[in-house]
Amino acid sequence: ETGVTQSPTHLIKTRGQQVTLRCSSQSGHNTVSWYQQALGQGPQFIFQYYREEENGRGNFPPRFSGLQFPNYSSELNVNALELDDSALYLCASSRPDIEAGELFFGEGSRLTVL
Amino acid sequence: QKEVEQDPGPLSVPEGAIVSLNCTYSNSAFQYFMWYRQYSRKGPELLMYTYSSGNKEDGRFTAQVDKSSKYISLFIRDSQPSDSATYLCAIESGGYQKVTFGTGTKLQVIP
Repeated sequence: ETGVTQSPTHLIKTRGQQVTLRCSSQSGHNTVSWYQQALGQGPQFIFQYYREEENGRGNFPPRFSGLQFPNYSSELNVNALELDDSALYLCASSRPDIEAGELFFGEGSRLTVL
Repeated sequence: QKEVEQDPGPLSVPEGAIVSLNCTYSNSAFQYFMWYRQYSRKGPELLMYTYSSGNKEDGRFTAQVDKSSKYISLFIRDSQPSDSATYLCAIESGGYQKVTFGTGTKLQVIP
């Protein structure tokens, strides 16, 4: 069984640039959620994708957007990067029929905005 | 008021100690309570899962939920250096599996 994989693992951008982060969900999982984890904080929910549609969104501005593809993989796009966007971005996959809240996380993409 | 409050620690204990980690939450409608463990430079992994009130035990780990006081606890018996990690309490409020995490408590078990 293949786990959740994310790429890239680390990247550095400058303020105002755009970034795309990628996630492959665990085999058999059709739901992908994205979380932002700032240093010393818990993960914060950005949004979730199910059947290629956004299925819920946290308190993040529209410059955070995403996609889910037919193979359930997903992208997180962030436009007009700000210094506060520096964080670990975590992708988690799940299935609607498993225990609520049981998420399987990747190791994250660490974004530094200079 | 945050939905989930957790003392960030850090917490340092000797090997073999009993560890108690705690969180409070604000919304009495929450039904699903989790503890995730996050090792340094890794993603969180689900450790314990509890539905509604009561206790759940898994080896050295016990999760406890007291809905009357909106209190979530994780107990680790006979703590080991390999337990050194950040422990995140989490709640799922139903619907589409949106999970809200606490700040996380960093635990260090000293050999």
